[in-house]
Amino acid sequence: DVVMTQSPLSLPVTLGQPASISCRSSQSLVYSDGNTYLNWFQQRPGQSPRRLIYKVSNRDSGVPDRFSGSGSGTDFTLKISRVEAEDVGVYYCMQGTHWPWTFGQGTKVEIK
Amino acid sequence: EVQLVESGGGLVQPGGSLRLSCAASGFTFSSYEMNWVRQAPGKGLEWVSYISSSGSTIYYADSVKGRFTISRDNAKNSLYLQMNSLRAEDTAVYYCSSGWYWWGQGTLVTVSS
Repeated sequence: DVVMTQSPLSLPVTLGQPASISCRSSQSLVYSDGNTYLNWFQQRPGQSPRRLIYKVSNRDSGVPDRFSGSGSGTDFTLKISRVEAEDVGVYYCMQGTHWPWTFGQGTKVEIK
Repeated sequence: EVQLVESGGGLVQPGGSLRLSCAASGFTFSSYEMNWVRQAPGKGLEWVSYISSSGSTIYYADSVKGRFTISRDNAKNSLYLQMNSLRAEDTAVYYCSSGWYWWGQGTLVTVSS
């Protein structure tokens, strides 16, 4: 199985400051069709997950543009340009290239 | 408005069975792949099972293979997860998701004697 490793696992941030989460996969996530199926999800406290980013860098509808995704191959990053209070929660990367699909352990973002 | 509403969770003894349902509305259910994802108490997300839009392609996580069965009824806009031989480690909130974009609110399954 592809192992997804996120860092850090806990990320205290100051409001208005940037934040960055790393996600590394144990194998390349480039699929045979040329796409890289790497998603980012946000789970706010007490809520269901919500997808933010698909195929590495595509923002879902309604996702603020302070969220951005980047990376390639085995190394990916989710960035929040200026953290707001509503961004508190746990963030997960997930690969959809290799079966079984696998999630990272999650990164808990909290306000300092 | 898109809605995914899970039901069927509850308390069951080890070795028992449950059938989860996910009722979809507000979108063309028959056009979308569906997934079940679970989250053990205080833990992260775990993908459980996938079914294609037609139901012809199905995948399972190794942890549930042979015990869980995913199915769908496109005429009823519904997704199902039949869970047999349940174990304590299956205790989790189970979410259905359509195309990874829409998610239900989850239903809690507790396996305990």
